Amino acid sequence: DTEVTQTPKHLVMGMTNKKSLKCEQHMGHRAMYWYKQKAKKPPELMFVYSYEKLSINESVPSRFSPECPNSSLLNLHLHALQPEDSALYLCASSQSGTLRCTFGSGTRLTVV
Amino acid sequence: DAKTTQPTSMDCAEGRAANLPCNHSTISGNEYVYWYRQIHSQGPQYIIHGLKNNETNEMASLIITEDRKSSTLILPHATLRDTAVYYCIVRNGGIRTGANSKLTFGKGITLSVRP
Repeated sequence: DTEVTQTPKHLVMGMTNKKSLKCEQHMGHRAMYWYKQKAKKPPELMFVYSYEKLSINESVPSRFSPECPNSSLLNLHLHALQPEDSALYLCASSQSGTLRCTFGSGTRLTVV
Repeated sequence: DAKTTQPTSMDCAEGRAANLPCNHSTISGNEYVYWYRQIHSQGPQYIIHGLKNNETNEMASLIITEDRKSSTLILPHATLRDTAVYYCIVRNGGIRTGANSKLTFGKGITLSVRP
């Protein structure tokens, strides 16, 4: 298995909703990442997990809450989002100590 | 991390080689050059990376100048499916980056392959 699987592919949520994005990989990668990408812009790093521990938080607002329950799973919990948070959310993974990352296809999030 | 400079866009004819330049004049000795691409509506895809020697794999070749201040990604026979945004990223460490490693994407270069 050489893929990063993200679910759901599309999500529409209201500003008072709580939802979660899920990311899964079975390549034995111990580094996992969340990126946010607005239309016609490059991906922006949000969080990095290394060996299931949060190692980088790029000053992301607390309405985004990451979780890494095990070495194969990465979640992003969403609460009280704003319309400007609408974007493509990308998950990636890599062997620890390398930046050769495998990306998922993303979750396209719309906040209404 | 060293910054990179890429042209905004370029095009090439299908079947011809696409040569994508990247300037990284402030690169330091232990920084690697990575190339990724992003096809529309997909996640970025790793292409190749190198430190100072030229590298080749099944997707592309990476030519790094001797002074390491610039590099060129070569797609030897471009196809319509190679139309994408290509990102050149310079990153400290490469193989031994440890926990505090991250890829930072710049604006990239949009390659359009025409029939």
